Amino acid sequence: IVLTQSPGTLSLSPGERATLSCRASQSVSNNYLAWYRQKPGQAPRLLIYDTSTRATGIPDRFSGSGSGTDFTLTISRLEPEDFAVYYCQQYGISLWTFGQGTKVEIK
Amino acid sequence: EVELVESGGGLVQPGGSLRLSCAASGFTFSNYWMSWVRQAPGKGLEWVANIKEDASEKYYVDSVEGRFTISRDNAENSLYLQMNSLRGEDTAVYYCARKLSYSWSLGYWGQGILVTVSS
Repeated sequence: IVLTQSPGTLSLSPGERATLSCRASQSVSNNYLAWYRQKPGQAPRLLIYDTSTRATGIPDRFSGSGSGTDFTLTISRLEPEDFAVYYCQQYGISLWTFGQGTKVEIK
Repeated sequence: EVELVESGGGLVQPGGSLRLSCAASGFTFSNYWMSWVRQAPGKGLEWVANIKEDASEKYYVDSVEGRFTISRDNAENSLYLQMNSLRGEDTAVYYCARKLSYSWSLGYWGQGILVTVSS
C-alpha cells in the first residue's frame, strides 16, 4: 500500500489550524492508520493510532479522522512544538508503509 | 519505563555486513512483536522488518528481502538486524521500535543508530 501525504509543506502561524492529508493506494484494513510527529534529531513520536485514537499524553488539539483510503490529521491550534514533520503509517497488512511526510513550518 | 537502545552502527563498505542490536528493558520483551524502521539522511521513514514474539513470523520490506535478517533473543531481551550485501541506499538511521499493547502502531522507539555504507 502506497501512502501519499499532502501537502508536502504547510506554512502556518502559531495558533492556526493545520489539516494534513494521507491518501492510500488501496483501502487500509480495519482503518489501521497512525500518525507520528518527528522533530529534528529525534525519534518519531506516536500521536494517533487506529485512525482516531490519541496516544497516551497527546493533547486534545490533535485529532484524526477518515476511513478506507482517505485520512486526515487535524491540529486545532498550532503550538511552537508542533512545527515539525508528520508521517502517516498503515499497519493493516503484513507489509507496513509510511507516507513521505508533511512538514509544518512557521510562516 | 520502556527503553530501547540500539548499537552496532558505523561505517561499512558496499557489499559488506553489519549487525545491529537493540537492548530492550522495562517490559516483558517476549510478549511483543518488534520492528526495525530506518530513515535515510534528509528523507522520510521506511519500515524495514517485523518479528513475532516467538520469531515464528518475520516480514521485510521488498528492498531488503534476502539481504537483511531480523532475529531476537528473548532470554537476553535483545532484537537484532543482520545486514548483508549492503548498498549505498541502505545508509540511514535505524530505529528499533515496539508496538503498543493494544494496537499495532509503534508506540515506543529507540534513539536510533547511524549506518553509513560508503567506500
